[in-house]
Amino acid sequence: DAKTTQPPSMDCAEGRAANLPCNHSTISGNEYVYWYRQIHSQGPQYIIHGLKNNETNEMASLIITEDRKSSTLILPHATLRDTAVYYCIVRASYDKVIFGPGTSLSVIP
Amino acid sequence: GAVVSQHPSWVICKSGTSVKIECRSLDFQATTMFWYRQFPKQSLMLMATSNEGSKATYEQGVEKDKFLINHASLTLSTLTVTSAHPEDSSFYICSARGETVEGNYGYTFGSGTRLTVV
Repeated sequence: DAKTTQPPSMDCAEGRAANLPCNHSTISGNEYVYWYRQIHSQGPQYIIHGLKNNETNEMASLIITEDRKSSTLILPHATLRDTAVYYCIVRASYDKVIFGPGTSLSVIP
Repeated sequence: GAVVSQHPSWVICKSGTSVKIECRSLDFQATTMFWYRQFPKQSLMLMATSNEGSKATYEQGVEKDKFLINHASLTLSTLTVTSAHPEDSSFYICSARGETVEGNYGYTFGSGTRLTVV
């Protein structure tokens, strides 16, 4: 079962930051927060992951609350190509990836 | 970075025939691969976990005799949909798990196979 809760859909204006929230109140100490996205009719793409510290890479930033019960994925300057379904997944390093419904992000011109 | 190649990207077959889908890890060894299916407007559903050299582990409700999985090498897993029916039409996606330099286990996904059974 998915261990996360995400809003089903969000809109974001092109060029603005997209902030996608995720609740994972039952996360265990050895579980990471992973984010993937799936552009229509493609396989999922890894974005970023973190354990307890905030993380940043060339695609996005991940902000994890101090109690680790929620996190936010930030796309700093959303483009039309960022329109996709974003999946927040909580798992231990060796666990299989179980997908929830995710958030459908629409970037609007 | 890690790349997983999935072939074919789309296939149309007649009802009652079998279809094989290949999943290859191109630049890393994957002792474990996963197979998912996805219906329109739904999320990915894990079907089975395949380990190199052993039998696949199927998720509850997935018919192992219908969805045959073979993981004969560290870089190749195949999914065969046997006696396909129109309700098997779906998007099938594989994923390979490989150990990263940091010691974590990264998962890389294939680009998917669109199966249409007519």
